[in-house]
Amino acid sequence: SQQGEEDPQALSIQEGENATMNCSYKTSINNLQWYRQNSGRGLVHLILIRSNEREKHSGRLRVTLDTSKKSSSLLITASRAADTASYFCATDSLIQGAQKLVFGQGTRLTINP
Amino acid sequence: DGGITQSPKYLFRKEGQNVTLSCEQNLNHDAMYWYRQDPGQGLRLIYYSQIVNDFQKGDIAEGYSVSREKKESFPLTVTSAQKNPTAFYLCASFDGTSLGDTQYFGPGTRLTVL
Repeated sequence: SQQGEEDPQALSIQEGENATMNCSYKTSINNLQWYRQNSGRGLVHLILIRSNEREKHSGRLRVTLDTSKKSSSLLITASRAADTASYFCATDSLIQGAQKLVFGQGTRLTINP
Repeated sequence: DGGITQSPKYLFRKEGQNVTLSCEQNLNHDAMYWYRQDPGQGLRLIYYSQIVNDFQKGDIAEGYSVSREKKESFPLTVTSAQKNPTAFYLCASFDGTSLGDTQYFGPGTRLTVL
């Protein structure tokens, strides 16, 4: 099952602009994570936000979490061509002692030089 | 140099054949996972293992099998019972010592059925 729904599915912007991606989910979570995937590659972890946090920053990344609305957003500021990739949110739950990640379908981000 | 390796990078299978995808990690992580990714989609969980000699089905386990004989290794077999196996397969591992840890992913294996 895919819990997360991401919006938009694809986003194309000019280099230097900011990119915002949104993620909504359905059930309660422990944490929410964002991953990046370059074409044909594995996933790289970007940032994790805990359910009791509202905002988190890491370099040019800013993540927000609204548990009342079951939604999160990822903002990439001052985008670069190298940011071109797919970005996935994943809800993080513990089920019978195992970490279970449930992924959204991703946002395909293209940064135009 | 710690990490997760997957092999082969590309794999071609004829219909009716079983194939095995390799996943090895030297991160000393207890938990390992297999995911399937279809074009333009997110990842779906096939199987996971929290400890050696134990594994559980994920959301789409039908047509797949796994083993966990060693902590470092978690091979996935795609059997002939899997009706639509063409996909990108990703393996991951997880430390699991504290909540909030992340999963570390391998580079993936692209399987194509001819």
